[in-house]
Amino acid sequence: GIQVEQSPPDLILQEGANSTLRCNFSDSVNNLQWFHQNPWGQLINLFYIPSGTKQNGRLSATTVATERYSLLYISSSQTTDSGVYFCASGGKLIFGQGTELSVKP
Amino acid sequence: NAGVTQTPKFQVLKTGQSMTLQCAQDMNHNSMYWYRQDPGMGLRLIYYSASEGTTDKGEVPNGYNVSRLNKREFSLRLESAAPSQTSVYFCASITGLAWGEQYFGPGTRLTVT
Repeated sequence: GIQVEQSPPDLILQEGANSTLRCNFSDSVNNLQWFHQNPWGQLINLFYIPSGTKQNGRLSATTVATERYSLLYISSSQTTDSGVYFCASGGKLIFGQGTELSVKP
Repeated sequence: NAGVTQTPKFQVLKTGQSMTLQCAQDMNHNSMYWYRQDPGMGLRLIYYSASEGTTDKGEVPNGYNVSRLNKREFSLRLESAAPSQTSVYFCASITGLAWGEQYFGPGTRLTVT
């Protein structure tokens, strides 16, 4: 079946630091999406990015479909960025295990 | 525009009881999904419906049934609840038949004792 692997599994940052989260996927279907699950459990769309690069404020994402990976960049992190970041791929949107981010003040 | 709504928000069942989780979307989306999320894990697909009148199994369909009542509504039924079905259940929808930007509901927290 489709494999979606995320790294790192956990990340602790000081407020203001930058970070890069990685998502490797095995499916050739271009259907990559990033989500943020906040501490209250709500899933928030960040990017729908089957290929290319997108930016939204302090967040940006790049997907290289031919090499089957995607990167999520968080710059100048804030405590409100804490939570779990998921990527999902494939026609049935299979989720990775997530990266748990904790931003300390 | 409410997006994707789910009812109930919380539910406690005894082993063997049945219940139906309701999901509705008002975005005129074609495809709808049911996922479960267990503590510390990602989401796993239970069932999905690419369009009205069609449903297909996902990764973990055992113990569940679904109904795509119309384009707006997609329900998930537990016929005989088991403690292993204690989880948070999320419904989602996308515009296309197979892929596109996915929107999630707020989730239903189910406990089976």
